[in-house]
Amino acid sequence: DTAVSQTPKYLVTQMGNDKSIKCEQNLGHDTMYWYKQDSKKFLKIMFSYNNKELIINETVPNRFSPKSPDKAHLNLHINSLELGDSAVYFCASSQAGLEETQYFGPGTRLLVL
Amino acid sequence: GDSVTQMEGPVTLSEEAFLTINCTYTATGYPSLFWYVQYPGEGLQLLLKATKADDKGSNKGFEATYRKETTSFHLEKGSVQVSDSAVYFCALRNTGRRALTFGSGTRLQVQP
Repeated sequence: DTAVSQTPKYLVTQMGNDKSIKCEQNLGHDTMYWYKQDSKKFLKIMFSYNNKELIINETVPNRFSPKSPDKAHLNLHINSLELGDSAVYFCASSQAGLEETQYFGPGTRLLVL
Repeated sequence: GDSVTQMEGPVTLSEEAFLTINCTYTATGYPSLFWYVQYPGEGLQLLLKATKADDKGSNKGFEATYRKETTSFHLEKGSVQVSDSAVYFCALRNTGRRALTFGSGTRLQVQP
């Protein structure tokens, strides 16, 4: 069983388009995250939701809007895509606690042309 | 703010060689420390973790010890295999902050 899944796995689109990436976790975790991995492999947090409430919102353009319909799902919508948005976007989830560990999805490779 | 520094790669080794990938961190408080591995074309997998000073995390022959006095969490393996070729990320999660802070990653290439 896949613990954290993302769709689509690959996304190729034109500049200016709007696109969404979806994430689902079946681990029963209370918190989900979006990370961005750039072309140099550097990973940085973008957003985090805890029980459908936004708890982390790093310096990200307003064109990026996360939505969490329930605690098992976290989607990322991107408006007016730019070339610099090309990256791999990883979803992750975790459960609060002393031994808290984040589990990552397979990533969505976004290429903006 | 929190930060993680890893040795630059790529690290190229022959099969059965000893591996060390250095990781040092800067953080206030008492962070938990992690090593994640990313195989080509795949997502991140947790390799090992340590939640307090002097803890040793281990998995699949890899080990790392949480050294608070040197703020380090170096990854080691006694005998690498070709299948260990991947990018390795050191990360921390500080008290009161849910997100991970990652190092820049170190690519390991193991040659037969």
